[in-house]
Amino acid sequence: EPEVTQTPSHQVTQMGQEVILRCVPISNHLYFYWYRQILGQKVEFLVSFYNNEISEKSEIFDDQFSVERPDGSNFTLKIRSTKLEDSAMYFCASSQTLSYNEQFFGPGTRLTVL
Amino acid sequence: DAKTTQPTSMDCAEGRAANLPCNHSTISGNEYVYWYRQIHSQGPQYIIHGLKNNETNEMASLIITEDRKSSTLILPHATLRDTAVYYCIVRVAGDAGGTSYGKLTFGQGTILTVHP
Repeated sequence: EPEVTQTPSHQVTQMGQEVILRCVPISNHLYFYWYRQILGQKVEFLVSFYNNEISEKSEIFDDQFSVERPDGSNFTLKIRSTKLEDSAMYFCASSQTLSYNEQFFGPGTRLTVL
Repeated sequence: DAKTTQPTSMDCAEGRAANLPCNHSTISGNEYVYWYRQIHSQGPQYIIHGLKNNETNEMASLIITEDRKSSTLILPHATLRDTAVYYCIVRVAGDAGGTSYGKLTFGQGTILTVHP
């Protein structure tokens, strides 16, 4: 069964460094998402992406964040200058259509900012 | 998107049916009820969704009241692997006329513990 994959599974970085989290969505999906979950808290929406542009973003997704689909398979989330509060689990998701919104989530990348 | 209310936690014996309630009294006519679950920090997993009719798939059944103000997710024969946080989410399907593009708003959900 096709699945969303994410790399790395765990990323440790120093405050102020740039990180890139990578995702490979399911191949025939058209809509892509990033969510994050701070330890012990709710899953929070960050951004949705369709047709090579951001379609919706949350207040969390400020100028430090960017997303890109550099080729036909990868979908990346970049954090330009990490802060301690960026430490969280980051989940990528994809869906084929918007109609019924069944989103398939990846296993997540645990980001630890020291 | 309409707000949902779920119990914080529930217990269920293995092999029994788990019935997870959700209140969504402010649901609009074009909003669907979706259920996802998250097993111990894994990515959320889609379970089922419905508009007004009851729905069943290989994982679960979804019962929506006639007034659509509440629903119940039923896991007919719960196993230990069904221990997870279950999220009830209400939102429109599609892009809501260009105002929403698939964002899922997760609450705290219900922690379901299935015990032997």
